[in-house]
Parts: sequence; C-alpha cells; structure tokens
Amino acid sequence: TQLLEQSPQFLSIQEGENLTVYCNSSSVFSSLQWYRQEPGEGPVLLVTVVTGGEVKKLKRLTFQFGDARKDSSLHITAAQPGDTGLYLCAGQYLGYSTLTFGKGTMLLVSP
Amino acid sequence: KAGVTQTPRYLIKTRGQQVTLSCSPISGHRSVSWYQQTPGQGLQFLFEYFSETQRNKGNFPGRFSGRQFSNSRSEMNVSTLELGDSALYLCASSYDRGALDGYTFGSGTRLTVV
Repeated sequence: TQLLEQSPQFLSIQEGENLTVYCNSSSVFSSLQWYRQEPGEGPVLLVTVVTGGEVKKLKRLTFQFGDARKDSSLHITAAQPGDTGLYLCAGQYLGYSTLTFGKGTMLLVSP
Repeated sequence: KAGVTQTPRYLIKTRGQQVTLSCSPISGHRSVSWYQQTPGQGLQFLFEYFSETQRNKGNFPGRFSGRQFSNSRSEMNVSTLELGDSALYLCASSYDRGALDGYTFGSGTRLTVV
C-alpha cells in the first residue's frame, strides 16, 4: 500500500502570516496535484506538477515538486481569510493511472 | 460551462437498504471517477469509468458498484448499506487521461446510514 503523508494536519494562523504544507511519500510520483476543498464542496484543482524540481506559482501560492519526485510543498505568502480550507495533495504513482490522496491539511486563517 | 453535477446532495438511508448516486460530468469529459471521503480515511478511490467501461477499481467490497452510460453520465450503487458507509461520495470527471488531466469534482452526495 502506498502512503502519501501530509503535514501538518491542522494549521491556524493570523492573516498576513506565511505557511508551508508538506506532502511526502516513499514512492516516486509520475505527477502530483494540489487541491483545495471548502466545506460542503468538492476539491478544486490548484496545480499539477510533473517534472522533478519544478516550481509553479499561482498568485501568493508557490508549489514545489521534489527533485526525486517523492515529495512536494505548498507555500502561501501573506495568507488571507479566503485561503481557509482543506488542502489536499494527490499523487499519481509510477505505473498507476489513478490518484492517491493525502488526508489533507486543514488551514484556518483568522482576520 | 456547467460543472460536474451530483444528485442527490443529501441522503439518509437505513442499514441494509441500497442506494444509487448519480453524476453528470462536464460536457466532453469521458472519464468519471468516484471517491469516498471520510474524516478518518480521507479520499479513497472507488472506481473509474471511461467510455462505459470500468478502467480502474479501488479496494472496496463488491457491495459498491458503478456504471457509465453512453452520454458519460455515471451512477454508483451501494447495496446492503452499513453504518460505516456514511460518507461524502465525490464524483470527478476529466477529459480523457483520467488523473493526468486533473479532475473536476462535483459537490458530492452526503450519505448518512442510520
């Protein structure tokens, strides 16, 4: 069974602070995606990374894929209350066509 | 364009009953995947359909089944419901390559088994 671990599980911060969320596995991913889910809704795709060492930016969000393609991070600069939600990483392992999701990081940004 | 539509949004069923959930993907999307989301286990893959054929299957008992129609709409069925089946059931569609294309999720069906 392939495990995809996210940390931290919960994060409560003040508006304007920076934060980083981590996603790790012992197996190599062929691609990795980050989603954000708000209460009562389905996850929404933020980004897909496929190349080791790749960095992608989406406004104040920076996504990095590890060189060995076994880990990824999501960094949010100057968090805002609108960033509140459950952040999920999901990896497609080599040789598999489906996605394995981490359990997520619940982020709460207070004004 | 219209998103992924799941019906119903909420459902309460009794142990032993069966239930059918429906998913209409984004127009043009041919791949439909189903996930079960619970607080303890997170999102767990149920199955994926592409062009009316099951392309992948997760590690769930045979009580969980699905199908896809020629218009790409999909249904999943759970028979002999158990309390542990209470969860948010999410449907996700993608154009062709499943996970590689990135999923568009519906808002889910919240199933409560009592």
